[in-house]
Amino acid sequence: GAVVSQHPSWVICKSGTSVKIECRSLDFQATTMFWYRQFPKQSLMLMATSNEGSKATYEQGVEKDKFLINHASLTLSTLTVTSAHPEDSSFYICSAREIQGLETQYFGPGTRLLVL
Amino acid sequence: AQTVTQSQPEMSVQEAETVTLSCTYDTSESDYYLFWYKQPPSRQMILVIRQEAYKQQNATENRFSVNFQKAAKSFSLKISDSQLGDAAMYFCAYRRPSGTYKYIFGTGTRLKVLA
Repeated sequence: GAVVSQHPSWVICKSGTSVKIECRSLDFQATTMFWYRQFPKQSLMLMATSNEGSKATYEQGVEKDKFLINHASLTLSTLTVTSAHPEDSSFYICSAREIQGLETQYFGPGTRLLVL
Repeated sequence: AQTVTQSQPEMSVQEAETVTLSCTYDTSESDYYLFWYKQPPSRQMILVIRQEAYKQQNATENRFSVNFQKAAKSFSLKISDSQLGDAAMYFCAYRRPSGTYKYIFGTGTRLKVLA
């Protein structure tokens, strides 16, 4: 149980295009999902907290117009990187908070984004 | 503000031996959760163990156990009978019991297991 999927796992795009990453909780409902960014050999950096049916809360320094987050249902959140540039290349990880039981965050497998 | 510190960037352990990874944190709250996550080369974050601050008993999960010292704000992870598959980055994380539920992660410890 408590499986989180991400799609796509790998994406290469041209500079200036937009990329959408999906995060799904497969066997549980998640009112809260989190989006992280991880640079090589570094820890996870929280970008935003996504609550179902409301606007995301962004961490300081994260451009909300660049990283659009939509949490339309209890099992799906999306992150759209708009007008991507090479510096947006990174590993993006989502997690979902289980609202029953242990209330642990379960993580997706991550999406590797390369902007050319 | 809460902080989480992992002072060991890298550790090595011989297969079948025991290793302890350290984690300290700073908080003014009395109730919170602590976690250890493993990130193998696949980069999938895997929950290893969790501890509720109000529980004095140290959490254990098979070969993994913690030494939770609340007064000292210390939360170390002990891996017994280390296996090659334990090689990974290990992250310690802190979470408040309510509010935003977001984690504060440490910088991680890379564990190497030597055959």
